[in-house]
Amino acid sequence: GAVVSQHPSWVICKSGTSVKIECRSLDFQATTMFWYRQFPKQSLMLMATSNEGSKATYEQGVEKDKFLINHASLTLSTLTVTSAHPEDSSFYICSATDRGYTDTQYFGPGTRLTVL
Amino acid sequence: GQNIDQPTEMTATEGAIVQINCTYQTSGFNGLFWYQQHAGEAPTFLSYNVLDGLEEKGRFSSFLSRSKGYSYLLLKELQMKDSASYLCAVGGGATNKLIFGTGTLLAVQP
Repeated sequence: GAVVSQHPSWVICKSGTSVKIECRSLDFQATTMFWYRQFPKQSLMLMATSNEGSKATYEQGVEKDKFLINHASLTLSTLTVTSAHPEDSSFYICSATDRGYTDTQYFGPGTRLTVL
Repeated sequence: GQNIDQPTEMTATEGAIVQINCTYQTSGFNGLFWYQQHAGEAPTFLSYNVLDGLEEKGRFSSFLSRSKGYSYLLLKELQMKDSASYLCAVGGGATNKLIFGTGTLLAVQP
């Protein structure tokens, strides 16, 4: 149980284009999904918290107009990196918490974004 | 402020026991989590402690002392595949966000 999927697993794009990453909870309803970014040899950096049907809450220093988050249902959240630049190249990971359970977060497999 | 400390790197021998410590100072506390992360992969959930004491799960055990703001992850009968980063995280406050430590990179040697 508590399986989270992400798509795509990796993507290479040109500078200036937009990339959409999907995060799905496969066998549970996720009240909250989280989006993280991780640079090589560094820990997870929380970008935003996404609650179904409401606007995402962004962490300080994260541009909400650049990283668009949509959480349209209890099983799907999307992160769109708009006008991507090489410095946005990173490992993007989503996680989800089970409704009414502990704060345990279950992570998706991650998406490796490379911006040329 | 929010602060979680754990050693940056550790080395241990296959078959041995290793203890990874974590100390925390957070404004709220809803539980302490340990995750394992292999290079290039996402973290996988290992354990959750919300009450003081030891939680055992196979080769892995996790301990919590809330009064001391301290936890450890104990790995027994180490295997080469245990080489990974181990992340300590605290759930705190009114939100269900997790605050992660920087992780401990464990290298298991033959």
